[in-house]
Amino acid sequence: KAGVTQTPRYLIKTRGQQVTLSCSPISGHRSVSWYQQTPGQGLQFLFEYFSETQRNKGNFPGRFSGRQFSNSRSEMNVSTLELGDSALYLCASSLEASTPGGYTFGSGTRLTVV
Amino acid sequence: AQSVTQLGSHVSVSEGALVLLRCNYSSSVPPYLFWYVQYPNQGLQLLLKYTTGATLVKGINGFEAEFKKSETSFHLTKPSAHMSDAAEYFCAVSANSGGSNYKLTFGKGTLLTVNP
Repeated sequence: KAGVTQTPRYLIKTRGQQVTLSCSPISGHRSVSWYQQTPGQGLQFLFEYFSETQRNKGNFPGRFSGRQFSNSRSEMNVSTLELGDSALYLCASSLEASTPGGYTFGSGTRLTVV
Repeated sequence: AQSVTQLGSHVSVSEGALVLLRCNYSSSVPPYLFWYVQYPNQGLQLLLKYTTGATLVKGINGFEAEFKKSETSFHLTKPSAHMSDAAEYFCAVSANSGGSNYKLTFGKGTLLTVNP
């Protein structure tokens, strides 16, 4: 079956702009989590959505937001982009919310802010 | 709160040699532990996980890890390295932070280089 699909794979944006990233989970998976990966900070948890509700949130500013649709697809939005937002953004899906295991990751969206 | 420390940001081994990647965790409640691998320009692939039961866990590609509660460790090993094992490896912990909320906390990663 198809894996976790993230679009686009690569994105270049200018400081101050906003960006929307998309994640389609594995069919049947209802939970979607987002992570930011940078060389300096490593992998950091952004948020988790389940049944269109945010279940868990990491320590990121309000510029970072997300949502989940009724078909479990999720989007994350970053407003007023800063250079430091350049990162690989990874999405992971799982069957249930806040499961102790069983996350499947997508290939990520590489965001470059110039 | 939970945290993960991976000892050694870069490990280099010869092809055929033992691979040992070290991971220590901190968790105030019983943890679930994971090892993921990341190849260049790819996402994370689950190698193995410990949830409950047997403390020696076998994963894909010949890797295994042992959960040692007394040492708060979950080191990853492979008896004989292949060139294809060259990648970055991440140890992660997940624990109930209250309200049945789990989230993965990752270590900084260890880059494994395999020399011919």
